[in-house]
Amino acid sequence: GAVVSQHPSWVICKSGTSVKIECRSLDFQATTMFWYRQFPKQSLMLMATSNEGSKATYEQGVEKDKFLINHASLTLSTLTVTSAHPEDSSFYICSAPPPGTDTQYFGPGTRLTVL
Amino acid sequence: KQEVTQIPAALSVPEGENLVLNCSFTDSAIYNLQWFRQDPGKGLTSLLLIQSSQREQTSGRLNASLDKSSGRSTLYIAASQPGDSATYLCAVSPSNDYKLSFGAGTTVTVRA
Repeated sequence: GAVVSQHPSWVICKSGTSVKIECRSLDFQATTMFWYRQFPKQSLMLMATSNEGSKATYEQGVEKDKFLINHASLTLSTLTVTSAHPEDSSFYICSAPPPGTDTQYFGPGTRLTVL
Repeated sequence: KQEVTQIPAALSVPEGENLVLNCSFTDSAIYNLQWFRQDPGKGLTSLLLIQSSQREQTSGRLNASLDKSSGRSTLYIAASQPGDSATYLCAVSPSNDYKLSFGAGTTVTVRA
């Protein structure tokens, strides 16, 4: 099956710093990728849609200036959490659908802890 | 706004028992419904995808049904095994834009 990777798998940073998370589709090209956030014991919430070659679209309530998304190539999307604060601590997961399918493949997630 | 609810939130069964996991959604205008498995601290693994025109899908010991008009889906896992212990998530997509609305999940523990 299709594989989506994320890097890093976990990161700890100080409040006020920026953190970049990468999402890669390893064996298929993805014109669209999705970023989700999951708080402990809660469901996944869609944050934004990453579009190759154009601006990301953000869900209501998600600050686009805080969560910068860049879809630099057909296999890579990055999420940068700028000026991170403890409330940004969460599990961030990306997903991508291979062309011509309805199934989405999810990355293993990145655990962000902001001190 | 689509609301997805999963009941129960947690379930513990002895090995060999059949599992029944429920998912309900408020807006019946869906494109498809998917069931995922999530292990602690890990990403999601797709289990079954049911298109809105379908009533059920089967894969091995897993069977998922969909009643779109009543806004319900059920995941059946036959003859449960300790390796089935995980959180099972239900997600619906309103259109073919791939955006998913997730339930909070049912955490399953299968006791050996």
